[in-house]
Amino acid sequence: AQSVTQLGSHVSVSEGALVLLRCNYSSSVPPYLFWYVQYPNQGLQLLLKYTTGATLVKGINGFEAEFKKSETSFHLTKPSAHMSDAAEYFCAVRNNNAGNMLTFGGGTRLMVKP
Amino acid sequence: SQTIHQWPATLVQPVGSPLSLECTVEGTSNPNLYWYRQAAGRGLQLLFYSVGIGQISSEVPQNLSASRPQDRQFILSSKKLLLSDSGFYLCAWSPVFQETQYFGPGTRLLVL
Repeated sequence: AQSVTQLGSHVSVSEGALVLLRCNYSSSVPPYLFWYVQYPNQGLQLLLKYTTGATLVKGINGFEAEFKKSETSFHLTKPSAHMSDAAEYFCAVRNNNAGNMLTFGGGTRLMVKP
Repeated sequence: SQTIHQWPATLVQPVGSPLSLECTVEGTSNPNLYWYRQAAGRGLQLLFYSVGIGQISSEVPQNLSASRPQDRQFILSSKKLLLSDSGFYLCAWSPVFQETQYFGPGTRLLVL
């Protein structure tokens, strides 16, 4: 069975500082991995995804994530935080079953201080 | 391009009343459809998914049911709401044979 662990339910950074949101997964098959962002009272928006190929994946809004098989990790980073990055971030892994279901982590709320 | 709609955006209902939330997708055919619930301060819980008309799979036992009367329509229902049904309900779709899910704007349900 697949699972996702996001370390840190809340992360606070200063504007302009590096953003690092951690995600570790377990999967019995080659993983497809996703990061979604959720702004207050909105649905989830896809930030980026890894399926196959290049392990460093670039997404929208300047975010990127690196798939590290040896560490079973898919951490999300951004070099310089903006106030507009304040949101909740979810990491997910594809389930290897019918329906293309995803297993989501518990989410990390990112706060950006001025 | 594809779009996903949910309504209503917000709903306040008394305990014991019925519920019907609707989700529709435009611009695609035969999508996989999903209902999630997000309780306050908690992550996403998959409630139902559907791979075709009339085909519904339930992930957790609960007070809710789902139906897919048309290819791009997914309905979440309850005959009698409980306080614990309060939350943010998200519908999502994915292209058939693809893994990425795309989410609707959500419905916030408050049961009083």
